[in-house]
Parts: sequence; structure tokens; C-alpha cells
Amino acid sequence: DIQLTQSPSFLSASVGDRVTITCRASQGISSYLAWYQQKPGKAPKLLIYAASTLHSGVPSRFSGTGSGTEFTLTISSLQPEDFATYYCQQLNNYPPEFTFGPGTKVDIK
Amino acid sequence: QVQLQESGPGLVKPSQTLSLTCTVSGGSISSGGYYWNWIRQHPGRGLEWIGSIYYSGSTFYNPSLKSRVILSAETSKNQFSLKLTSVTAADTAVYYCARGPGTYFESWGQGTLVTVSS
Repeated sequence: DIQLTQSPSFLSASVGDRVTITCRASQGISSYLAWYQQKPGKAPKLLIYAASTLHSGVPSRFSGTGSGTEFTLTISSLQPEDFATYYCQQLNNYPPEFTFGPGTKVDIK
Repeated sequence: QVQLQESGPGLVKPSQTLSLTCTVSGGSISSGGYYWNWIRQHPGRGLEWIGSIYYSGSTFYNPSLKSRVILSAETSKNQFSLKLTSVTAADTAVYYCARGPGTYFESWGQGTLVTVSS
């Protein structure tokens, strides 16, 4: 099984800050890596897929990089609506199995 | 814009079967190109993929749940369904249905809380 870890698990930041979240896989997963944002009581929203492709409608302050076992989500200038929990997700091709990371909560400093 | 809506009982007794349906609007589940998925989130916890179904009926499941999960699709009603058998309190969660191309989940339902309790 491929495991995903995220760091940090919690971060406190201010509006305007640059924020970076890291997702590490226990083995190489190519670029089948997606990022989601979830606010309390709401369904997750897709931000980025294929490690670096911005989903339609997602602000350009969000970006993703990485391949293999290490991936990052960056928010270039944190906005009030960005305070949420962020999850990474990977697909293991064979057998087909999706796994999510444990999440990173971004809170207001 | 595709929309997904989960429906089903909010309370299930232990050892019984949890049954949920996802109704899709704004897109056809039989048009191909997408997988239809179930994901759950235990209270205050992270996300867990349950399984995926293609309109043709092909399915794949989370190995940890495979023995208890059945996914099906009813194309005439544009719905797909989840059955989880022999439930326990550990199956209490918010259950989401979602659409995706097979590598990620691009559209989600709002989620429905299912509590397992006698």
C-alpha cells in the first residue's frame, strides 16, 4: 500500500503570507497527485490535479509542483477564504486504489 | 455543470446494511469518460475512498472494505448506489459521492451523515 504523509499537519498564517504544504508518498506515484480544499461542513473542492494542473475556476495563487514521492501545494498570497484544511490524494494504478493524505489545517494567526 | 446528490437513511442499526444513492444531474453517467465514486469521512477525520464504478459496470474497491461493499449503477435513472453490509459504529461517517476521470475527483455531492447506532 502507498501511504501519504503531509507536513505540517497544522499551520497558522496571516493574510498575504506565502504558504507551502508538502505531501510525501511512501513510494513513487508519478504525477497522479491531486490537492483538495475542504471547509467545515462542506465537501472537498478540487484545486489541482496531475500534480501541477490548476482545476478550472481555481485562483492562480494556488500552484502545485512535484513528482515521484514529493509534492508541494503553494498558496502565493493567503486570502481570508483560504483558511481551510487541505488534502493530497494519489492513485495507485495497480490495483486501482485511491489514498488521501491526513490533511493540513491552515488557520488564522 | 454536473451536480451530485446523496440520499438514504441517516441512521442504520449495527449489523445491518447501509444503502445510499447518488443522483446525478447536468450530465449522464452513461456518457463515458468518468468514474462514479464513493468517499467517506469519519467525524473530525480525513477522507477514505470506498470504491468506484464505471457506467459499464466495472468496479474497483478499497481493499479494506471490499468484502462488505457493493456498487451499482442504474443508468435509466442516472443514479449510482452504495451498499455497505454488516455495519458497525466504525462506519459512522459523512458519505460523499463524486465524479472523476479516474485519477482524481472533480465534482462532489454535499455529503450525507450516516450514523450507525441501535
